Amino acid sequence: DARVTQTPRHKVTEMGQEVTMRCQPILGHNTVFWYRQTMMQGLELLAYFRNRAPLDDSGMPKDRFSAEMPDATLATLKIQPSEPRDSAVYFCASQQRQRETQYFGPGTRLLVL
Amino acid sequence: GESVGLHLPTLSVQEGDNSIINCAYSNSASDYFIWYKQESGKGPQFIIDIRSNMDKRQGQRVTVLLNKTVKHLSLQIAATQPGDSAVYFCAERLNSGYSTLTFGKGTMLLVSP
Repeated sequence: DARVTQTPRHKVTEMGQEVTMRCQPILGHNTVFWYRQTMMQGLELLAYFRNRAPLDDSGMPKDRFSAEMPDATLATLKIQPSEPRDSAVYFCASQQRQRETQYFGPGTRLLVL
Repeated sequence: GESVGLHLPTLSVQEGDNSIINCAYSNSASDYFIWYKQESGKGPQFIIDIRSNMDKRQGQRVTVLLNKTVKHLSLQIAATQPGDSAVYFCAERLNSGYSTLTFGKGTMLLVSP
């Protein structure tokens, strides 16, 4: 049963610390999305990659957030330095070439104190 | 299915009833729509999708209806079960050549035994 995996599932950190979240897309999926979910804003698209190339990261605060895809099996989202307002659930989703459905991972629940 | 402030719209039904969850989408140029189910502590899970050249699509116990005239999407769940309790999101994709989705705020479905 192919699925998107994310690590860590939970992260508690202090303001100013670096946070790195990882995502393994479904094998064969060439598009990877990063979302943030909060009660106030709902699901927001932060960035996405196709064939490992960043296509759009306009939803991401550039000064502290960065997203990369070092290889086809790993996507990372980094926050440095983290702030309390970054507390949210971060989801990764992947999509197969020329299909529309996005499949979501279980999320990383981040709490910045 | 529009959110009001911080509170998700909530639909409460009895087990065995049919449920209808509504969604007003924003862009008349959207050509593809998806319904996701999100259970507490989990990522959104794909339920059913529909393209704009269709008015209705049926799955197992679920039916999606699309009314392009009034930009309205609905999800019907037949014989609702306690396991259907979750937040349901509709999402639309603009016919822009990209595959990004714009998500609604969600509707919470509560099913009582």
